[in-house]
Amino acid sequence: AQSVTQPDIHITVSEGASLELRCNYSYGATPYLFWYVQSPGQGLQLLLKYFSGDTLVQGIKGFEAEFKRSQSSFNLRKPSVHWSDAAEYFCAVGGGGADGLTFGKGTHLIIQP
Amino acid sequence: DVKVTQSSRYLVKRTGEKVFLECVQDMDHENMFWYRQDPGLGLRLIYFSYDVKMKEKGDIPEGYSVSREKKERFSLILESASTNQTSMYLCASRTNRGVNYGYTFGSGTRLTVV
Repeated sequence: AQSVTQPDIHITVSEGASLELRCNYSYGATPYLFWYVQSPGQGLQLLLKYFSGDTLVQGIKGFEAEFKRSQSSFNLRKPSVHWSDAAEYFCAVGGGGADGLTFGKGTHLIIQP
Repeated sequence: DVKVTQSSRYLVKRTGEKVFLECVQDMDHENMFWYRQDPGLGLRLIYFSYDVKMKEKGDIPEGYSVSREKKERFSLILESASTNQTSMYLCASRTNRGVNYGYTFGSGTRLTVV
């Protein structure tokens, strides 16, 4: 069965500092990997996705993620966070079939002034 | 841009009521999904559909059913609402077409069962 682990429930980062959110997955075939962001009371917004090719993926809002097959990881990074990045972040894995995504439990990002 | 519209942002229903949550997408996507989101549990898949009148159970289908009579509309039905179904419900649609492969989510319906 596929699964996603986001080991950090909460992360606090100072504004302007760098950020890395961790994601580990378990999937039996070639994974399709996603990062979503959710602001309070809102739906999910796609930050970036990986299907194949270059293992470093660029997304919106200055985010990037690196796929490491050997570590079954897809960590999200940003070189300098802004107060507006405070939100809930979800990593998800799926395949090309008809079934849906499996999500991690999310990481709540807090930005300190 | 693809738009996934959930008809209600907030709903309050009584225990035992039959509840319908509606979702409409406007880009001819083949697949549609219903998730529920609870704090500390992330998003869990309830049901999905890969074609009109087709449906498949997800990870937590108990207490729910779905209907997809038209390609653009996917309804989630709570046959007899219970307080443990108080949650945020998110609908999503997906295209399988090449580089545009991806999921689009609605804004969610926050359901409270009293």
